[in-house]
Amino acid sequence: GESVGLHLPTLSVQEGDNSIINCAYSNSASDYFIWYKQESGKGPQFIIDIRSNMDKRQGQRVTVLLNKTVKHLSLQIAATQPGDSAVYFCAENISGGYNKLIFGAGTRLAVHP
Amino acid sequence: NAGVTQTPKFRVLKTGQSMTLLCAQDMNHEYMYWYRQDPGMGLRLIHYSVGEGTTAKGEVPDGYNVSRLKKQNFLLGLESAAPSQTSVYFCASSSTGASTEAFFGQGTRLTVV
Repeated sequence: GESVGLHLPTLSVQEGDNSIINCAYSNSASDYFIWYKQESGKGPQFIIDIRSNMDKRQGQRVTVLLNKTVKHLSLQIAATQPGDSAVYFCAENISGGYNKLIFGAGTRLAVHP
Repeated sequence: NAGVTQTPKFRVLKTGQSMTLLCAQDMNHEYMYWYRQDPGMGLRLIHYSVGEGTTAKGEVPDGYNVSRLKKQNFLLGLESAAPSQTSVYFCASSSTGASTEAFFGQGTRLTVV
């Protein structure tokens, strides 16, 4: 079936380093890809999205890269801070009729001082 | 601005009991979603709605029913709870099908014993 998956379940980084979280997707019909951040005890929070006709989009300290050839998505966080510690989910928006957001399993980012 | 509000936040049910989870949004969003989140897994779509009076099945709809009688409310019902339905449930809403920013509630932790 259609699915979105992640390569690494846990990522540990030093404060100040750059973080890269990866995600693989399988549905070619997805028109948007989205990254969400979920802190403990809270609901997911939107970080950044990217259209399927783009290959890069930048936000504040975050960059999302999309490689449609290999169906790969990544989230880069610059100068990682302790407040970035959370679980990060990639999701794909599957259009066509009704839109659906399908999530991957998540990657836990642990930032160490 | 309350955003997306879920009621209750916690609940313990006995096997076979029924209950309804309420989701309310005050952003006039057309789309609403119910997800469940299990340990080590991403969010899985249970049911969703693209507008008042309409509902559709997601990835894991069995054992659940939903209703969208009012645009601002999306109810998730469990007719006969099972231990396999122990999970954290998240409601989300988004403005249109083209919008990728879904706003999530804080979650409902349900335990079925």
